[in-house]
Amino acid sequence: DMKVTQMPRYLIKRMGENVLLECGQDMSHETMYWYRQDPGLGLQLIYISYDVDSNSEGDIPKGYRVSRKKREHFSLILDSAKTNQTSVYFCASLTYNQAPLFGEGTRLSVL
Amino acid sequence: AQKVTQTQTSISVMEKTTVTMDCVYETQDSSYFLFWYKQTASGEIVFLIRQDSYKKENATVGHYSLNFQKPKSSIGLIITATQIEDSAVYFCAMRVNTGKLTFGDGTVLTVKP
Repeated sequence: DMKVTQMPRYLIKRMGENVLLECGQDMSHETMYWYRQDPGLGLQLIYISYDVDSNSEGDIPKGYRVSRKKREHFSLILDSAKTNQTSVYFCASLTYNQAPLFGEGTRLSVL
Repeated sequence: AQKVTQTQTSISVMEKTTVTMDCVYETQDSSYFLFWYKQTASGEIVFLIRQDSYKKENATVGHYSLNFQKPKSSIGLIITATQIEDSAVYFCAMRVNTGKLTFGDGTVLTVKP
């Protein structure tokens, strides 16, 4: 079964700490995404990755960076996290039927 | 720039009835993909159905179908014979040639017994 795995599922950090969110897929899909979702809102695109070391900014990249050194893994990094980065973060992988498959999300609280 | 708009914030229907959710989109691309997703109470985001812009036939999967009106840039989701478990937030999304996937703000569907 196709699956996108996000780790950790829940994370609490203090303002100013660095945050690493990880996403994995075992289907060798080329295109992957990072989104954030705030309460009552839709999903906002942070970054899109087309393959290893081929990343592009989405709509809200400020305060975030990404890393993709292996096709199966796509990481989202928050350097010196801010309280307004408290959100639920979703990773997705573009499947061969053209429909992105989403992970279960990471709930991040920055205190 | 791409934009997806869902004007209905919430809809409430009785079980076993049919519901339609609206979605309009904006893009300069001549070729694109349209999707509907469902987000459950647990937060899980589930793919439901897809429409390719070059196809004239409306997509149908199970009790989900689409009303694709390309001249109006509209892609409505129709759920027939609704069930209690269809209660969720429904998102419309569009993927363009760059791979960028843009979502609407969602419609909350409540199905009452």
